[in-house]
This record gives sequence, C-alpha cells and structure tokens, in this order.
Amino acid sequence: GESVGLHLPTLSVQEGDNSIINCAYSNSASDYFIWYKQESGKGPQFIIDIRSNMDKRQGQRVTVLLNKTVKHLSLQIAATQPGDSAVYFCAETLPNQAGTALIFGKGTTLSVSS
Amino acid sequence: EPEVTQTPSHQVTQMGQEVILRCVPISNHLYFYWYRQILGQKVEFLVSFYNNEISEKSEIFDDQFSVERPDGSNFTLKIRSTKLEDSAMYFCASFGLSSYEQYFGPGTRLTVT
Repeated sequence: GESVGLHLPTLSVQEGDNSIINCAYSNSASDYFIWYKQESGKGPQFIIDIRSNMDKRQGQRVTVLLNKTVKHLSLQIAATQPGDSAVYFCAETLPNQAGTALIFGKGTTLSVSS
Repeated sequence: EPEVTQTPSHQVTQMGQEVILRCVPISNHLYFYWYRQILGQKVEFLVSFYNNEISEKSEIFDDQFSVERPDGSNFTLKIRSTKLEDSAMYFCASFGLSSYEQYFGPGTRLTVT
C-alpha cells in the first residue's frame, strides 16, 4: 500500500509495495531539501536532495517531489524492501549560505514486512 | 568511502559533570556541525563551525556548550555542566564544497544521571 497526504509518524507496507512519505517544511525561503534515512543506532544517511528550482528528482528506486505552493515534500520509494525499514526525515536549508544548518522535520518510521 | 567518526559511542555522566564529545570529520571538509536528537524526536541543529570559528548556532547552544577544533583532525563538543535534559544522541556532521551533502557520524549517546 502507499500513503499520501499529511505527515504520518509511522507507515507500514508490504515488501514490493511503493511507499510515499510526506513532509511539510517550515520556511518558504528554504531553497534546498534533503531526505535522510536513519537506521536504529546510526546517524542520518543521505538519500536524495532537490533544489527549489525543481519539482521532481529521481534516484535509484527513490523519487522526491517538491510542492513549493503548499511547502510540501514527499519521498517515493519503489518496490520497498525490508532493508528500507528505518526512520525517514526531511531537512531544509536556507538559501545563499554554503554550509548552512539543516532544519529537520518530524520523522516517519517505515516498517516493511515480507 | 570516507566517513565521519565519533567517540565515544556511549557516554554516561553524572549531572553537573563536564563531558567532551569527539568527532573526526572527513579530511577535506571545511564545515563542521553538531546536532542532537533526544530519544524519539527529530534531529536538532546545535552549532556550525567554519574557518576556526562558530558560524551559526541555535538557541539550544547556550553558554554551557562550546566547540573546538584543537588540531587538524578533531572537532569537539564540550558541555560544561551537564543537566538531565542533555541526555540525547549527539551527531557530528561535516560538509565539503564538492557536494551539498552533510555527512553524519554514527553519534554519541550521552546519558546524564
């Protein structure tokens, strides 16, 4: 199954399903957005990023969509695997500053059952 | 693949004690960060460091906190007098200019009793 719309703290899917994780970001001036994956006991791991001049970016099995009108970001994972089980965070940064701080959103815990 | 390392992995301390958390950023990176994550909550920015000085800090980073790059490789976070609410995972991150990705270390779990 998949879930769209508002942010959900947890998402449970079956192996092979597509997953959609949503995030509402806070600052309309933010111009760079990143999705991080955090496995238990580990630090955040970069998945995919997108700049504000784009509305879609694809990686390997992952796609990020950006809707600046409603300040909404989503992460789509195709053919979800058990190894995708983790907490997923979106993060944003303000423009024009190299190395500026990341502002993290609330995480979504993705559970994949086989 | 280069990685950020952190020591110790777990630190237990008593309230009021000083702790120093250590990080070795990726060698050619120029920007360094500390973030913290209270159990079950989102990751929060503490401080960024560039060119041997603090470039940005959050309201969490009060006078009890300090950072230092004592040599060419280490980056440390010191908490002068720990409080119970300082218990959290502390993540170090570094950033170079070849990409916009901030690389995170595995974290140090700080437990204040």
